Amino acid sequence: GAGVSQSPSNKVTEKGKDVELRCDPISGHTALYWYRQRLGQGLEFLIYFQGNSAPDKSGLPSDRFSAERTGESVSTLTIQRTQQEDSAVYLCASSPSGPYGYTFGSGTRLTVV
Amino acid sequence: KQEVTQIPAALSVPEGENLVLNCSFTDSAIYNLQWFRQDPGKGLTSLLLIQSSQREQTSGRLNASLDKSSGRSTLYIAASQPGDSATYLCAVLTNAGKSTFGDGTTLTVKP
Repeated sequence: GAGVSQSPSNKVTEKGKDVELRCDPISGHTALYWYRQRLGQGLEFLIYFQGNSAPDKSGLPSDRFSAERTGESVSTLTIQRTQQEDSAVYLCASSPSGPYGYTFGSGTRLTVV
Repeated sequence: KQEVTQIPAALSVPEGENLVLNCSFTDSAIYNLQWFRQDPGKGLTSLLLIQSSQREQTSGRLNASLDKSSGRSTLYIAASQPGDSATYLCAVLTNAGKSTFGDGTTLTVKP
């Protein structure tokens, strides 16, 4: 596609429920990144996929968080047993292989009530 | 571990002023540095990308410079306009494959 697409754009969920967030990267971009941004704060790295290599999961805050990527296309970020502190905007970005810049999606705003 | 700092955290200027935003990083072994703009409640929009071999990039009223040896980059905005009001973030890509972001400078341009 022309840009990075994220869905849903907004999600309200009850505490304890599981949620899935989706990211469609730009076609041909081998790298895909997930970041979290809490209100008024900076970007917090979560996970990074590069081609068929093992993902860099070093930023996942707990074992309630997981992510998958199908080949070099769609990625899904799953948060199990959501907590109120999970409320944030979840941003996805993709980039071509090499030292190229990121292109971000518009994000998913998650609110846990 | 790469650390990225942006100073000031907030800046307010009258319309028409030229201004400079600063970004510093601790590890000079970078692949690139990217400046982004973020409007409230929105995602990040890329403004300029500087490769490690480059010293500066320009786009319209924006000019970004890079000094790897001193671990610094600046974003210069000429003739600021109210529409420039946003948060500006810099991000540094290292050989770890992922970028480290600063916390941003929130710019307000007053009419």
